[in-house]
Amino acid sequence: DQQVKQNSPSLSVQEGRISILNCDYTNSMFDYFLWYKKYPAEGPTFLISISSIKDKNEDGRFTVFLNKSAKHLSLHIVPSQPGDSAVYFCAASDTGTASKLTFGTGTRLQVTL
Amino acid sequence: ETGVTQSPTHLIKTRGQQVTLRCSSQSGHNTVSWYQQALGQGPQFIFQYYREEENGRGNFPPRFSGLQFPNYSSELNVNALELDDSALYLCASSSGTSGVYLVNEQFFGPGTRLTVL
Repeated sequence: DQQVKQNSPSLSVQEGRISILNCDYTNSMFDYFLWYKKYPAEGPTFLISISSIKDKNEDGRFTVFLNKSAKHLSLHIVPSQPGDSAVYFCAASDTGTASKLTFGTGTRLQVTL
Repeated sequence: ETGVTQSPTHLIKTRGQQVTLRCSSQSGHNTVSWYQQALGQGPQFIFQYYREEENGRGNFPPRFSGLQFPNYSSELNVNALELDDSALYLCASSSGTSGVYLVNEQFFGPGTRLTVL
């Protein structure tokens, strides 16, 4: 049972354009969502998060949007840079089990010149 | 300040064998979580250790076990290895009270790639 889904395995975007990565979840108990970036041979690195009491959180070029009614979140990267090329994982937790993160399957972003 | 380190980097075992993976947590962190990432999948939570006690477990059989030591480093042990155990095993450390911490302050190591033949 995949509770966090990233339906696009890959995405290619030109440098300078916007990258939009999507994530859907099914468990209504999730109330905290995170995005991680992963380069080859490295562990996932925390990028940005959002609590369910908000619908938007920004950090520099990265913005996460949350639509609770649709159980959908998205990560926007503007402008995209070649160094953003990596695998992006969406993850979720509920405050009752803050020890456990449930991850999606990842989206490989390639930013081309 | 050193980050999370894991050893070994790669490991090859045969079916039925036992394996021990090691993780050194980031300085000052008292909580370690282990995740399994199979090829093409996202990381899956195995269990967490807080101050040497298991503090939450995912949907993994008992042949997956762990330890946390007084210096907060940790081991993941897998007995009776199966082909499906082939995966990247990730360790993540964090600092919290009673095992509760801000999940966005969890730092991952580079992982151990286990291949079971």
